[in-house]
Amino acid sequence: EPEVTQTPSHQVTQMGQEVILRCVPISNHLYFYWYRQILGQKVEFLVSFYNNEISEKSEIFDDQFSVERPDGSNFTLKIRSTKLEDSAMYFCASSESAGTQETQYFGPGTRLLVL
Amino acid sequence: AQSVTQPDIHITVSEGASLELRCNYSYGATPYLFWYVQSPGQGLQLLLKYFSGDTLVQGIKGFEAEFKRSQSSFNLRKPSVHWSDAAEYFCAVFTGKLIFGQGTTLQVKP
Repeated sequence: EPEVTQTPSHQVTQMGQEVILRCVPISNHLYFYWYRQILGQKVEFLVSFYNNEISEKSEIFDDQFSVERPDGSNFTLKIRSTKLEDSAMYFCASSESAGTQETQYFGPGTRLLVL
Repeated sequence: AQSVTQPDIHITVSEGASLELRCNYSYGATPYLFWYVQSPGQGLQLLLKYFSGDTLVQGIKGFEAEFKRSQSSFNLRKPSVHWSDAAEYFCAVFTGKLIFGQGTTLQVKP
C-alpha cells in the first residue's frame, strides 16, 4: 500500500539554524499539507499546497517557514531560523484532491528538537 | 470558530472490555469527521470517516463511530479492546484542513 514517507525521523538543531524537513507524498496525490504537534498538545495545521503554491496557511506559518516542491516527488518544509518553540513533531500529509470527502494520509513524522 | 473537543485525555480499560472515546465538534456546516490513531513512534493512521449517509460508520481494526448531529458528537467505540489498541486517538473535522482534538491516550490493562 502506498504511503507518505518523511526524513529524517529525528533532527536536533541549534536555535537560529535552518532546517529542512522532507516528505515524499503518495505518488498520484496532488494536495500536500504540513501539520505539527508540540509535545502534549493537539495536532495543528500549518500549510496546504497545491499546484506549486500555498493554498492556505495558519497564523503559525510565518515568514520563517516556507514550503517547496523541488521536484516531482519531494515536498519540503524549511524553517529559516529555528526557535526553541519550533520543537515539535512535524507531520506531512497528502491527498488525491482537496474535496471534503478526500482522506489525508499522514507520514510518520519528523521529531524536531531545537536547543 | 470550528473546534473539536475530546473530553477524556487518558482512558484505561481492561483487555476484552468495551471502549468508547468521546468527541464533540463545533462546526456550522455539515461536518466531515475523522478518527485517526497514533501508535508510539508512528504516524497518524485513519481509522474511519463520516461524510454522509448512515450515521454509524465502520472502520478498521473493529472500530466504529456514531455521528449524532443533535449532540454534535462523533464517538468512537469498540466492543472488545485488545492490548494492541493502546495508542493515542484523535478526532478531527475537515474544514478545508483538518482540525484535531486534543487526543485521548488509551491504556489497556492485561
